[in-house]
Amino acid sequence: DAKTTQPPSMDCAEGRAANLPCNHSTISGNEYVYWYRQIHSQGPQYIIHGLKNNETNEMASLIITEDRKSSTLILPHATLRDTAVYYCIVRVHTGTASKLTFGTGTRLQVTL
Amino acid sequence: DVKVTQSSRYLVKRTGEKVFLECVQDMDHENMFWYRQDPGLGLRLIYFSYDVKMKEKGDIPEGYSVSREKKERFSLILESASTNQTSMYLCASMSRGRPQETQYFGPGTRLLVL
Repeated sequence: DAKTTQPPSMDCAEGRAANLPCNHSTISGNEYVYWYRQIHSQGPQYIIHGLKNNETNEMASLIITEDRKSSTLILPHATLRDTAVYYCIVRVHTGTASKLTFGTGTRLQVTL
Repeated sequence: DVKVTQSSRYLVKRTGEKVFLECVQDMDHENMFWYRQDPGLGLRLIYFSYDVKMKEKGDIPEGYSVSREKKERFSLILESASTNQTSMYLCASMSRGRPQETQYFGPGTRLLVL
């Protein structure tokens, strides 16, 4: 799986959009970008994933640059409950069981 | 919604005890995983299973064993607990089929070995 780079921490005011960047300059053509988050003392939670096109679901939007070397996770209206560590992961879909490799992620602090 | 449950949120055991951590998923997923998470070390894979009665070692299997007698249940066993096995243990499950390869995690079990 390609290496990813994320800022260690970010702050966001409640109600504002949180934009979390991720660099994955060595991504290959068949690797997907995944985002998970982990709220303190809980298991990681899947947020969204994409290959080339931008994606949106009820939790977030994922913007992938045209060259696919970076992406941004957008939480459109951050709330205090979005305070968590956010992990960007790049992986190939193999169809078989394989581990997820979490880096250090970005610690997002949403404040009043 | 996928649901992955773990038998305990918090567990305190003594050195040398045999410890069972249970994980159950309700989505008929073929693949199940056991990770441990420690500060500064991230998630590390202990064992995984891609089918009933099948298991594969992960990165740190020493001191652990697993059991998968039924598709929905994956158990992690610490044969003789040691203090260095104090950790947060996370179970996950994943469907085999493409393109979705999302892993769904349980809430975690925080184990303290005294």
